[in-house]
Amino acid sequence: DGGITQSPKYLFRKEGQNVTLSCEQNLNHDAMYWYRQDPGQGLRLIYYSQIVNDFQKGDIAEGYSVSREKKESFPLTVTSAQKNPTAFYLCASRLTYLNYGYTFGSGTRLTVV
Amino acid sequence: KQEVTQIPAALSVPEGENLVLNCSFTDSAIYNLQWFRQDPGKGLTSLLLIQSSQREQTSGRLNASLDKSSGRSTLYIAASQPGDSATYLCAVRLPGSGGSNYKLTFGKGTLLTVNP
Repeated sequence: DGGITQSPKYLFRKEGQNVTLSCEQNLNHDAMYWYRQDPGQGLRLIYYSQIVNDFQKGDIAEGYSVSREKKESFPLTVTSAQKNPTAFYLCASRLTYLNYGYTFGSGTRLTVV
Repeated sequence: KQEVTQIPAALSVPEGENLVLNCSFTDSAIYNLQWFRQDPGKGLTSLLLIQSSQREQTSGRLNASLDKSSGRSTLYIAASQPGDSATYLCAVRLPGSGGSNYKLTFGKGTLLTVNP
């Protein structure tokens, strides 16, 4: 079945540590997105990429980094510069040249310990 | 700046009841609107996508309507079941491919509880 796979499901980060969240899709979608979800705040866009080797900052990119070396993969690194990283992270993808909607993954819950 | 509001924030109904969830947005020049369902601790599942030229979409017991001129959408759930209990999110996208039009703007959701 086609879809988006996020891993790990749960991730624990120590202070000052960088961690990387994985997002892989087999939908042949060209655009991929990372959203952060916090209670009471809704979803906010971190980064997005519309083609391989290109990505753009979203609304809350500070303290995060991404890469897009393959069409299928869009990993997100939460760096030590992100002061409040505890949140639920969602990856999404979309076919930009068709009027399809967005497809989301199952999420990664990141907790600072 | 596009803002999306969902009312009510929470709703509890008995099983079998028909119900309506509301979504309003401030910029009526949307490209499309998408309704999602989110179960606790899970990702988003797409329910219905309405293009700006459409008035409504239906899938099973779900019917979503769109009134662009008034900046409103409703999600109608018929004959609700306990399995419908979840948070329902609406999201809009502006037209075009550049600027801020690349992203979805989400409401904060409606938490629905259907009691047996």
